[in-house]
Amino acid sequence: DGGITQSPKYLFRKEGQNVTLSCEQNLNHDAMYWYRQDPGQGLRLIYYSQIVNDFQKGDIAEGYSVSREKKESFPLTVTSAQKNPTAFYLCASETRNTEAFFGQGTRLTVV
Amino acid sequence: DQQVKQNSPSLSVQEGRISILNCDYTNSMFDYFLWYKKYPAEGPTFLISISSIKDKNEDGRFTVFLNKSAKHLSLHIVPSQPGDSAVYFCAASVKNYGQNFVFGPGTRLSVLP
Repeated sequence: DGGITQSPKYLFRKEGQNVTLSCEQNLNHDAMYWYRQDPGQGLRLIYYSQIVNDFQKGDIAEGYSVSREKKESFPLTVTSAQKNPTAFYLCASETRNTEAFFGQGTRLTVV
Repeated sequence: DQQVKQNSPSLSVQEGRISILNCDYTNSMFDYFLWYKKYPAEGPTFLISISSIKDKNEDGRFTVFLNKSAKHLSLHIVPSQPGDSAVYFCAASVKNYGQNFVFGPGTRLSVLP
């Protein structure tokens, strides 16, 4: 079955630690995205990548980093520089002329 | 400055009645619009889309209307069902220019039995 998979579903991080959220897709989509959702807010774009080995900052990239070494994978690292990392993170992928497909999300909590 | 706006954070509708969710946008370059439905702690799922060359698109109980001159689109759900209770996001993109979706803040729909 084709799809987009995020892991883990729940993640706890101590203050000052970096954590990496996984996003894998087997849809052969060129573009991948990371969004963040906070209570009462819409989806805000963190980073996106249109092709392998290339990525662009979104609206709220500070404190985050990404890599796109393979078409299938677009991991997001939440660094200690991100001041308010507790949120629900969503990964999406799409190719031209299709809608974006979303993963099931990762809820990150700083403890 | 929000490029995609959903001015109603919440909406309650009686089961069986019509739900109308509204979305406004400011960027006249947008030419492709989508609606997503999201349940708590899950990723959004695609509902319906419309290209700017159309003014209406129907899929079962869901119809999206686009008014380009007003930069306004709406999602109609008829008849509304309790399972439709979710947050609905409107999204827009410039289809042939990287297709970087811009999402609205969402409207929480509650369908009351």
